[in-house]
Amino acid sequence: NAGVTQTPKFRVLKTGQSMTLLCAQDMNHEYMYWYRQDPGMGLRLIHYSVGEGTTAKGEVPDGYNVSRLKKQNFLLGLESAAPSQTSVYFCASSWVQETQYFGPGTRLLVL
Amino acid sequence: GQQVMQIPQYQHVQEGEDFTTYCNSSTTLSNIQWYKQRPGGHPVFLIQLVKSGEVKKQKRLTFQFGEAKKNSSLHITATQTTDVGTYFCAEGSSYKLIFGSGTRLLVRP
Repeated sequence: NAGVTQTPKFRVLKTGQSMTLLCAQDMNHEYMYWYRQDPGMGLRLIHYSVGEGTTAKGEVPDGYNVSRLKKQNFLLGLESAAPSQTSVYFCASSWVQETQYFGPGTRLLVL
Repeated sequence: GQQVMQIPQYQHVQEGEDFTTYCNSSTTLSNIQWYKQRPGGHPVFLIQLVKSGEVKKQKRLTFQFGEAKKNSSLHITATQTTDVGTYFCAEGSSYKLIFGSGTRLLVRP
């Protein structure tokens, strides 16, 4: 039982490049989330999903897209990376309105 | 939108001293969850409080939910170096959590 896994662990991008972050969970959770964490700003919700095939915007969705084609996977896409998107990205999953289980994070540096 | 304010931002204590972090809201909170994030790690769930005036304990950690459900606190008795990290409160609302900005705890051995 791996819990929540994220790939990659670390990535460096140039401004304008695109990439996809993958989150996978093996706990059969309905809800999945993407957060970004910046120094002194806590965790901010980017997008979330309440079930397979559904997505919704969080606090800071601009510049990101997501997809939940399979229940166990939640993908976060950056179409045209900007330096302001340099951050640590965490994925989380949960049962309905219960404890959230976080992945180990992806550190993204945009030059 | 709903916001939870967390204070202090930082706390540096001597090992053995107590530590408290506070979470405040201007509106009634449906519930409060507390998470701990070790340096370089990811947030890990500690506890959830739902009822007005609720108090829960986990060894040296005591969690309280205010009578008006507008504030919460986490108190650590006799801190240890293993307590180092950032403590976040989060309000559960609808499908998602709204996190406070966290309190970073540093412990001098």
